[in-house]
Parts: sequence; C-alpha cells; structure tokens
Amino acid sequence: QVQLQQSGPGLVKPSQTLSLTCAISGDSVSSNSAAWNWIRQSPSRGLEWLGRTYYRSKWYNDYAVSVKSRITINPDTSKNQFSLQLNSVTPEDTAVYYCARSPLYYGDYKKFDYWGQGTLVTVSS
Amino acid sequence: DIQMTQSPSSLSASVGDRVTITCQASQDISNYLNWYQQKPGKAPKLLIYDASNLETGVPSRFSGSGSGTDFTFTISSLQPEDIATYYCQQYDNLSYTFGQGTKLEIK
Repeated sequence: QVQLQQSGPGLVKPSQTLSLTCAISGDSVSSNSAAWNWIRQSPSRGLEWLGRTYYRSKWYNDYAVSVKSRITINPDTSKNQFSLQLNSVTPEDTAVYYCARSPLYYGDYKKFDYWGQGTLVTVSS
Repeated sequence: DIQMTQSPSSLSASVGDRVTITCQASQDISNYLNWYQQKPGKAPKLLIYDASNLETGVPSRFSGSGSGTDFTFTISSLQPEDIATYYCQQYDNLSYTFGQGTKLEIK
C-alpha cells in the first residue's frame, strides 16, 4: 500500500520561499513506473496541478505554466521523498498543498491514485 | 489550456436516488478523463479513470461514461456516505486541469 506523508511549515511570509516535503512508503521515488506530483487547492483557483518529477533512465521535471518561473520539484533518493519549493510567494499562493502519485499507464501519467494528507500553507506577514 | 466545465455546482438528492454529474471539455480529450470524490478535510480519492474504468476497491454504484468533450458520472443509488464534492480531471499534453466541483448533499 502506497502512503505519502507531507511535512513543512504552515505559515510563510510574502516574498519568501514555500518548502514542503513528501515522504513515500510502499513505492520508490526512483520508480520507472510512477511520477510524483504537487497539486494545490484554494477557494479562488480550485484544484491546480503545479508540477511533477519522474525517473525514466534519467530525471525529468514538468511544471505548470502558471508557476514555471518560481517552482522547483526535487527528488531525494536517499530518503525516498520529493520536495516542493515555490519562490517569491504572495497571499494568492495560500492554499492546501497535496503531493500525489501518478502511475505510468499506457505510456503516460494520466491520473492521481495516491495522495498525501494535505498541508494548509498560509502566506501572510 | 483545456477548460473543464462541470455541472451542476451543487446537487441535493435523497438516499437511493440516481445522481448524474456532467463534465464538458473545451476540446477533444479522447477518454483522458478521471473522476474524484473529496470529503471535507480529506484529499481527493480516485473513483473512475479513463472515463469509464472503476478504480480498484470502489463500489460498483459509481460509473462513468463519455468520450471526446462530453462526460457523465453517475451514482446509481445514492448512499449517505457518498456525501462529498466530486471533481472531474483531464490530462492532455503535460496539462492537468480539474473541473470546479459538484457538491452533493442529502435532501
């Protein structure tokens, strides 16, 4: 059974960097058959996919256009986890952030089958 | 980006009712459409993938259909534990977008 456990601060000041970690059990961040995603949810923006990292002989990252200039997702193979960094945050980045797994299915990563518990991050001074 | 229009935004029904939610894509997405259930304070849960495939362990009263731009999600006989918000989600060319959600309540 795959489990994703999120950690990180719930309060970030404007202009600073939001950092969250997702620890994986029951699977591997280096798996050739899964991608590891960050998704956020807010009343104003709904559910919004932010980006993913995955390993297919080498590491790849894909990011949503809306955050591409500010986001980094990194795998940590030594701890079997992956992280989210979002720079230069504003109050509009206030949301519940989720990590989620996408299994490789018929050649692509189309669905999210396991999710973390969610972390409410508030951007405020 | 492909836009997903989900309707209705809220729905009130009685236990045992048949419930239907629709999702329309702004362009053809083949069958790359998934449905999720989200209960308050919890992460979304995958119910249906590729428009009509039931995820393992999900009760058979849940079903989905459609292809191209028009999709339907159905609960054949509403149960009290089905009270939640339901979301559609599409995948196309490195882009994932979700519908705005349908909040389902018991009448």
